[in-house]
Amino acid sequence: EAQVTQNPRYLITVTGKKLTVTCSQNMNHEYMSWYRQDPGLGLRQIYYSMNVEVTDKGDVPEGYKVSRKEKRNFPLILESPSPNQTSLYFCASSLRQDVNIQYFGAGTRLSVL
Amino acid sequence: QKEVEQNSGPLSVPEGAIASLNCTYSDRVSQSFFWYRQYSGKSPELIMSIYSNGDKEDGRFTAQLNKASQYVSLLIRDSQPSDSATYLCAVTKYYTGNQFYFGTGTSLTVIP
Repeated sequence: EAQVTQNPRYLITVTGKKLTVTCSQNMNHEYMSWYRQDPGLGLRQIYYSMNVEVTDKGDVPEGYKVSRKEKRNFPLILESPSPNQTSLYFCASSLRQDVNIQYFGAGTRLSVL
Repeated sequence: QKEVEQNSGPLSVPEGAIASLNCTYSDRVSQSFFWYRQYSGKSPELIMSIYSNGDKEDGRFTAQLNKASQYVSLLIRDSQPSDSATYLCAVTKYYTGNQFYFGTGTSLTVIP
């Protein structure tokens, strides 16, 4: 089954404790992306990657890091989480040939206390 | 100024009616336009994409793009209760590569 898998689905942590949210896709997609969704602000793109070792900042990259060492994986790293990073996070991927049709993961709800 | 703007709603229509959702975008060089549907507690799923002026139909859904007026709309014919969801408009622009800009979404309720 074609899918984008995020882990964990729910996470509660404390300020300053480094965390990683994993994202994996099994569709051989080249384009992958991270978003956060907040009430009243909608979906905002954090980082995206067009291919292995190629990453670009989206609208709200501050406080986040990403890496793309393999095509299938695109982890989101919060080196020192803060309460304003409490949000619902989505990973998405798409084929390069049709790069704009994205498939979303189920989401990760993060709370930073 | 926001890249993409949508009326947050809520929009309520009776079952069987046409639901009309609208979206405006600020940058004339916007390239591609999308409508996603998001059920409560779920992830967004693509409904329609449109790239050139005019109408594009897919089943009960019609996307309309007017680049001169910088708006894109989604019509849902014969609305069903299962269409009740939040609808997200998104655009991409050539010169930012493949960066996506989403609106805040319009909540639609179809009343049986």
